[in-house]
Amino acid sequence: GAGVSQSPSNKVTEKGKDVELRCDPISGHTALYWYRQSLGQGLEFLIYFQGNSAPDKSGLPSDRFSAERTGGSVSTLTIQRTQQEDSAVYLCASSNDRNYGYTFGSGTRLTVV
Amino acid sequence: AQSVTQLDSHVSVSEGTPVLLRCNYSSSYSPSLFWYVQHPNKGLQLLLKYTSAATLVKGINGFEAEFKKSETSFHLTKPSAHMSDAAEYFCVVSDQKMLTFGGGTRLMVKP
Repeated sequence: GAGVSQSPSNKVTEKGKDVELRCDPISGHTALYWYRQSLGQGLEFLIYFQGNSAPDKSGLPSDRFSAERTGGSVSTLTIQRTQQEDSAVYLCASSNDRNYGYTFGSGTRLTVV
Repeated sequence: AQSVTQLDSHVSVSEGTPVLLRCNYSSSYSPSLFWYVQHPNKGLQLLLKYTSAATLVKGINGFEAEFKKSETSFHLTKPSAHMSDAAEYFCVVSDQKMLTFGGGTRLMVKP
């Protein structure tokens, strides 16, 4: 597609439930990032995928968070046993490293009640 | 390690007056630098980027930024503010792997 697509755009879930957030990057972009934007906070790095290399998971806040990227394309961020502090906008970005441009999706707004 | 400091969390200008949003960075590498804009309830939109070519970078909507290595700065400017410029602006540094965001500057434009 023309841009980075994220789904769902909004998700309300009960505390303790698992959620899956999806990111469909720009075709051909080898790099994919997940960030989290909390109310009143900046953007927090979560995880980075580059081609077939092992992902950089150094930003994941706890072992309840995991992500995978299948076939070098679509990525899924999974949050298990959600907590209220997980409420945030989760942003995905993809990049073609040759020009270092990063295109962001519109995000998934997660609300844990 | 790299970091970004946006020196003002809020900037207020009158419509038609110049805009200056300040950004200082630190990086162990020759970084790429970006400015993104986020309008309320919208995604992040790339305004402009510096990737070691011309130090004065022109972006969309009349914005430009100048990379000053000696001052480790990448300030964003616009000669004349428009009401539609009201948004949150993020300065971002990249070491070709990691994106590091500044804390953001909220620009308010008064009529």
